[in-house]
Amino acid sequence: AQKITQTQPGMFVQEKEAVTLDCTYDTSDPSYGLFWYKQPSSGEMIFLIYQGSYDQQNATEGRYSLNFQKARKSANLVISASQLGDSAMYFCAMSRQFFGNEKLTFGTGTRLTIIP
Amino acid sequence: DTGVSQDPRHKITKRGQNVTFRCDPISEHNRLYWYRQTLGQGPEFLTYFQNEAQLEKSRLLSDRFSAERPKGSFSTLEIQRTEQGDSAMYLCASSPKAPDRGQSYNEQFFGPGTRLTVL
Repeated sequence: AQKITQTQPGMFVQEKEAVTLDCTYDTSDPSYGLFWYKQPSSGEMIFLIYQGSYDQQNATEGRYSLNFQKARKSANLVISASQLGDSAMYFCAMSRQFFGNEKLTFGTGTRLTIIP
Repeated sequence: DTGVSQDPRHKITKRGQNVTFRCDPISEHNRLYWYRQTLGQGPEFLTYFQNEAQLEKSRLLSDRFSAERPKGSFSTLEIQRTEQGDSAMYLCASSPKAPDRGQSYNEQFFGPGTRLTVL
């Protein structure tokens, strides 16, 4: 079974500062993928970034980067130069990676609030 | 609009009533997932379809829940004899058979969800 743990229920960050959202995971699958999603108050899940378990380099997508430490089983999301529009719930998730049923297992999320 | 759509967006019902939700995936996506998200929690997997075949159901999906995907296009999720504990956001997601060119992963595209309130 897969498990995702997000230990920060909420965070407050000053606008333009960088923020790190923590995520640890547990799985017995040898191959897996790690995802981060953003959920604004409107409710839709917005995909942000992906990291494969065998990827050698940390993933980056614009202002988002994923700090992947496989030995520690952590996949923290780093948002650089935060903006007011970044205020939302953020979920870390993982799936098996074999292109069949790739159901996602989510953590409980972190509510990020950007302060002007 | 080519995204995943869900209908209705909101549903209020009385305990004991039956409800049905619909999900229209992105055209040509052959994989479809249903998740349930309760307040303060992350989404939890309910069931998975590949084309019209329902290949996995979570133990969260009690006998009162049934999902279908006739013809491998849209999907419906029905809850019979609703209970107050069924109150949640029901999310649908779809993904293609294979990753897009240049990607090593299969992104799931989520719909806006159906928020169910059982009184």
